[in-house]
Amino acid sequence: EAQVTQNPRYLITVTGKKLTVTCSQNMNHEYMSWYRQDPGLGLRQIYYSMNVEVTDKGDVPEGYKVSRKEKRNFPLILESPSPNQTSLYFCASRDSQETQYFGPGTRLLVL
Amino acid sequence: AQKVTQAQTEISVVEKEDVTLDCVYETRDTTYYLFWYKQPPSGELVFLIRRNSFDEQNEISGRYSWNFQKSTSSFNFTITASQVVDSAVYFCALSEAWGDSSYKLIFGSGTRLLVRP
Repeated sequence: EAQVTQNPRYLITVTGKKLTVTCSQNMNHEYMSWYRQDPGLGLRQIYYSMNVEVTDKGDVPEGYKVSRKEKRNFPLILESPSPNQTSLYFCASRDSQETQYFGPGTRLLVL
Repeated sequence: AQKVTQAQTEISVVEKEDVTLDCVYETRDTTYYLFWYKQPPSGELVFLIRRNSFDEQNEISGRYSWNFQKSTSSFNFTITASQVVDSAVYFCALSEAWGDSSYKLIFGSGTRLLVRP
């Protein structure tokens, strides 16, 4: 089944404790991206990757890192999480028709 | 500037009613793509439809239909004979072929649809 997977789906952590949210797609898509969704602020792009080894900032990249060492994976790294990074995170990959398919989401709570 | 406006914050209908969700967009690009996504209470984002700017044909998929009108910069979504399972937040989104917004989706603020039994 063609899909984007994310792990973990739910995470509660404390301020400053590094964490990684994994994202993987099995559709051989070149482009992948990360979004966060917050009440009142909507969906905003964090980072995107046009292809392997090429990444760039989206609208809200502060406090996040990404890497794209292989086509299928695009992990999101929070080196020192803070409470304002509490959010619902979505990974997506995009096909050649410009359609982005989203993972199931990761709910993160930073205490 | 690129923008997507969903003026209806929340709509409540009774099952079997028809409902239309409005979407108005702004872009300077002549080539762009429009999308609708559904976010059910479980939280995932489900792709519903994609339209490119050169294809103004309306589309029907079962109980769902979409009306794309470039003259009014609108891409409205109609659910016919709504069902309780249609209850969700629906997002309209735009991406451009060129320029600063070619690498992301610009989302509207969403319309929450509640279908009551």
